[in-house]
Amino acid sequence: KQEVTQIPAALSVPEGENLVLNCSFTDSAIYNLQWFRQDPGKGLTSLLLIQSSQREQTSGRLNASLDKSSGRSTLYIAASQPGDSATYLCAVGYPQKLVFGQGTRLTINP
Amino acid sequence: EADIYQTPRYLVIGTGKKITLECSQTMGHDKMYWYQQDPGMELHLIHYSYGVNSTEKGDLSSESTVSRIRTEHFPLTLESARPSHTSQYLCASSRREGLQETQYFGPGTRLLVL
Repeated sequence: KQEVTQIPAALSVPEGENLVLNCSFTDSAIYNLQWFRQDPGKGLTSLLLIQSSQREQTSGRLNASLDKSSGRSTLYIAASQPGDSATYLCAVGYPQKLVFGQGTRLTINP
Repeated sequence: EADIYQTPRYLVIGTGKKITLECSQTMGHDKMYWYQQDPGMELHLIHYSYGVNSTEKGDLSSESTVSRIRTEHFPLTLESARPSHTSQYLCASSRREGLQETQYFGPGTRLLVL
């Protein structure tokens, strides 16, 4: 069964800190892996997409890594800001579908 | 910015009513999807479509039905709503561009069945 697990389920840190969100998946035969952001009452916004042949992707203060052999991905957020507060979802792309984790609810305290 | 819309955004309705959740996209994407998300839980695919007149059931069994008569519309219908249908419903669309395929999500519809 294809499962995606995100740890921690919730994280609260002071503004300015660097932080890492973790995602693990059971089936390593992936096409790609995406990190999404979900704000309360809103849809999902794609942050980064990593192809299965890639090791990492960067966008601004965000860096996502992928280790397909060990079934892990991390999302690194540098110099966190209160506006980064949201739920971050990891989604693993397989043929014909995306499998989502339960998300990490991130709170950045001013 | 993705152009995918869902209406209504919020719906409170009584048991037994028929409801249709609308989803439309203006990007010309062939593929569209419906996900169900309970609070604090992961998204589960309930329906998808690869084009006009194509609909398939997803991983999570759902009593809802969908139709794809036009490329830009992918409505979801519940013939008789029940409290167990209370959830958030997210619509998405995608198009493959080379090796990449990114799903774009609508804002979601929060459904409460009393």
